[in-house]
Amino acid sequence: SQQGEEDPQALSIQEGENATMNCSYKTSINNLQWYRQNSGRGLVHLILIRSNEREKHSGRLRVTLDTSKKSSSLLITASRAADTASYFCATGVQGAQKLVFGQGTRLTINP
Amino acid sequence: DVKVTQSSRYLVKRTGEKVFLECVQDMDHENMFWYRQDPGLGLRLIYFSYDVKMKEKGDIPEGYSVSREKKERFSLILESASTNQTSMYLCASSWLRTEAFFGQGTRLTVV
Repeated sequence: SQQGEEDPQALSIQEGENATMNCSYKTSINNLQWYRQNSGRGLVHLILIRSNEREKHSGRLRVTLDTSKKSSSLLITASRAADTASYFCATGVQGAQKLVFGQGTRLTINP
Repeated sequence: DVKVTQSSRYLVKRTGEKVFLECVQDMDHENMFWYRQDPGLGLRLIYFSYDVKMKEKGDIPEGYSVSREKKERFSLILESASTNQTSMYLCASSWLRTEAFFGQGTRLTVV
């Protein structure tokens, strides 16, 4: 079964606004990762946060992790039209090698 | 740069055919993964491998098998293709508990 559940499924905002996407998961994890996918292409890794970390930044991206609630959020600040894509969270399952993905959030940035 | 290469970008096969999807990575990664992606369902793990000749089932292994005879190559086999296996197939590789690198995807149509 899917480990990650993303919320919302789709998000449409104006350029320059901030975009927040949430991910919930079910089991214990080693890490949580966020990926981006442009239409019809492979996924590109954005950021990884380990289970003992609470917050991580990379450029305009900010990721938080709350292991007590089994949830994470991805914030994209000052959005650009080029940020239009699908965003997926993935969990590195503790005690296993596999990487399990959620269903994704479709983000549209309107110019 | 890490490169994960899938043998075909688009593939059309007939029902009942045996289909081979090939994936090659050039970074000496231990882990390799096969996912399928369908609208509204996100990425679902079919099989993964954490070493040569080692494999584990993912969430949807039925109708598929895999082969990893060399560290850099991970093959997905559809034993007898069916129309419900029409999908986008994504291969990925990673080191232990780190980010995954994806191929460009193979869009398979079974007619």
